[in-house]
Order: sequence, then C-alpha cells, then structure tokens
Amino acid sequence: GESVGLHLPTLSVQEGDNSIINCAYSNSASDYFIWYKQESGKGPQFIIDIRSNMDKRQGQRVTVLLNKTVKHLSLQIAATQPGDSAVYFCAENTGGFKTIFGAGTRLFVKA
Amino acid sequence: SAVISQKPSRDICQRGTSLTIQCQVDSQVTMMFWYRQQPGQSLTLIATANQGSEATYESGFVIDKFPISRPNLTFSTLTVSNMSPEDSSIYLCSVGAGKGETQYFGPGTRLLVL
Repeated sequence: GESVGLHLPTLSVQEGDNSIINCAYSNSASDYFIWYKQESGKGPQFIIDIRSNMDKRQGQRVTVLLNKTVKHLSLQIAATQPGDSAVYFCAENTGGFKTIFGAGTRLFVKA
Repeated sequence: SAVISQKPSRDICQRGTSLTIQCQVDSQVTMMFWYRQQPGQSLTLIATANQGSEATYESGFVIDKFPISRPNLTFSTLTVSNMSPEDSSIYLCSVGAGKGETQYFGPGTRLLVL
C-alpha cells in the first residue's frame, strides 16, 4: 500500500461535517499560497490558491483563509465526503519559480 | 493545466544500480521541477530543470547523484545514481506556468531500493 501520509498529523471527521486543515508557513516574503490534495498512489493535485493581497478565497466546497500577521493558512472543506480522504499539503511561493511544501495533514473521513 | 506522465510508475532496484525516470508533458513548458517524497513525508525539491541550461540543484542534492536532462520543452529525465535503500522514495515531476504561478504534478515514480 501507499505510505504517503503514514507519519503525518491526522484529522478525522464525520462525513457531512466541515473540515479545517491548518498550516503555518515560515517565509514572510511568500506572496502566493497553494493547497494540494494527494490521494494514495497519485501526485499532488491543485485544489485552490490565494495571493497575499487577499485574506479569503472560495472555490467549490473549499475556502482558503490567509492570515499574514501570524503566517497562517487554512483550508476549509464544506460537507466533507469520503472522496476527500487524502493528504493535504500547503505550499508557498515567494514570487520566484520554486514552490516549497509544508508538512502535510492526512484527512480521514468516517462514513 | 498540463498533462504530465512519468515512466516508470514504479520500480524495485538493487543497491548500487541507477534508474532513469522520464517525464513527458503534453505542452511546451519553460520550467520543470523534480521533487522527492520520502515515505510519510512532504515533498522536497531536488532541482529545477530548464531547457538549454544545466539544472539548478537545491541544498543537499548534487548532480553526480541526480543527473538531470532537459533536451526539449516537453521532456526531462532524472537519474538516481548508485542507489541505496535511503533513495527509496516517490519521485515527482512538476511543471510551472511561470514565476509565482501554480505548479502541476505528474503521478510520481515509486522507487524501492533493496
């Protein structure tokens, strides 16, 4: 089986509840942030992004919040479904070409 | 977003050998990146590969261990040389739209070194 997420922090939620995944970033110069979802056996998949001139951005069932004061990023998933079970990574970019990944959180959805 | 494929999808190799991983993109891209994801860990950038120039390696990664080719704007290879069990990881190819833009990832190559 896939070992991605085996040692990562885990968030367990009931199907239908809202999920909140948090991320602290380190570089105050970062101006672009991305959330990725990685399912077992697959590469990271883009979910949603936000630039530093915003503090909130909404997508379909997902919302990203950015607090630059405390260098904190969160991903909210509404009405969590079993298909949302995966490892979620936040990533930051300082305006250059490189994207740096955070530690990741494994989301487990209970049916 | 670009469609990215990698070959092989997985392999089991003996220590001391080398493996070359291929990354193919369905459109021309300027920037290609190679990441390593060790078991249960996040992604770590190995190097940035630009067409027509040598790859730029991150701290802790060297060209002798991870030689990279970038012969054109749709293809790149990463070689894991003289492998040891510590090289057992998922190796991921990624492409970027440009500065400060989203990177998209291939499915990864799962490598197990015995």
